Amino acid sequence: GQSLEQPSEVTAVEGAIVQINCTYQTSGFYGLSWYQQHDGGAPTFLSYNGLDGLEETGRFSSFLSRSDSYGYLLLQELQMKDSASYFCAVRSGSGGSYIPTFGRGTSLIVHP
Amino acid sequence: NAGVTQTPKFQVLKTGQSMTLQCAQDMNHNSMYWYRQDPGMGLRLIYYSASEGTTDKGEVPNGYNVSRLNKREFSLRLESAAPSQTSVYFCASRDREIYTEAFFGQGTRLTVV
Repeated sequence: GQSLEQPSEVTAVEGAIVQINCTYQTSGFYGLSWYQQHDGGAPTFLSYNGLDGLEETGRFSSFLSRSDSYGYLLLQELQMKDSASYFCAVRSGSGGSYIPTFGRGTSLIVHP
Repeated sequence: NAGVTQTPKFQVLKTGQSMTLQCAQDMNHNSMYWYRQDPGMGLRLIYYSASEGTTDKGEVPNGYNVSRLNKREFSLRLESAAPSQTSVYFCASRDREIYTEAFFGQGTRLTVV
């Protein structure tokens, strides 16, 4: 089966850098994705890592180490609007099926 | 481009009542999913449809049924609602050829009293 572990809550101040970690166990790995969800809203896709290394998209970066079954999301120059929940996700399913499977989410609280 | 549309947005049911949550996507995606989200539990898969004409159980299917009406629409039915089904329900879709991103509807907030 699949399991993902991420911290339940992280706090930081505006302008700072924060890292949200995710460790996973999965049979057959096809990459790690990250989603953001604001209170009352829908999850929205942020980034994907299929290979080891760092992917950068503006203030957000995501890292993957397949040998360590570990990844993280790095948020720089934090803004108040970054306060949200962040979910890591892997593929589950076999053959042609693809089921996004999510961790329990990390609540990021950004303080002024 | 509307993306994924869910109706209704809010619903209150009495225990034992039935209802159907509707989901439609206009992105020509093959795969569609129903998740429920409870505090501290993340998103848990109820049912999914890899393609038109197929449906399969996810992690928490008990008490639910689904219908993939056509390529656009994927509905979730609660035959006899229970308080344990109070949750926020999200429909999502994905392009079969793109393995990275799922698109979510705005959710249905369901309360069973």
